[in-house]
Amino acid sequence: AQSVAQPEDQVNVAEGNPLTVKCTYSVSGNPYLFWYVQYPNRGLQFLLKYITGDNLVKGSYGFEAEFNKSQTSFHLKKPSALVSDSALYFCAVRDDNQGGKLIFGQGTELSVKP
Amino acid sequence: DAMVIQNPRYQVTQFGKPVTLSCSQTLNHNVMYWYQQKSSQAPKLLFHYYDKDFNNEADTPDNFQSRRPNTSFCFLDIRSPGLGDAAMYLCATSRAPSGANYEQYFGPGTRLTVT
Repeated sequence: AQSVAQPEDQVNVAEGNPLTVKCTYSVSGNPYLFWYVQYPNRGLQFLLKYITGDNLVKGSYGFEAEFNKSQTSFHLKKPSALVSDSALYFCAVRDDNQGGKLIFGQGTELSVKP
Repeated sequence: DAMVIQNPRYQVTQFGKPVTLSCSQTLNHNVMYWYQQKSSQAPKLLFHYYDKDFNNEADTPDNFQSRRPNTSFCFLDIRSPGLGDAAMYLCATSRAPSGANYEQYFGPGTRLTVT
């Protein structure tokens, strides 16, 4: 079964510092990995995806993620955090054998303080 | 702008009173998904339509039904809401259920309260 795990419930970062939100995956076959962000009482916004190709994926709002096959990880990163980045972040794997359903990690609350 | 729209954004219903949530899309996508997200939890897929083909998740309660009268619209019907059905309901669309370049686009969600 496909799964992803986000080992940190919360990440605290000072504005201007780099941030990392961790995600590890367990899949059979090629992983299709995604990051989404959710602001309070809102839907999910797509940030970036890894399908194939370069291990460093660049996405929206200055975010990027590094796919590491040997460590089965797909960590989300940003070089300089903004207060407005504070939100709930979900890592997900897409299961193409089950209608493309997204299987989400439990989410990581990112808090960026001024 | 092409988008996924959900109405209403907030819905209050009484215990046992049927309720319908609506989703529409202007993306002309073939697949529409319904996810349930309970407080402080990850979204969980309830079911999806690929064109007119309905695909139910094995653990989705019978209390939840869906209709897709055309490409643009999809409805979530909860026949007899219980207190445990209070959640955010997220609609998402995708051009196809699989394939390298297809991500899901989410609507803003409907927050359901059951009193």
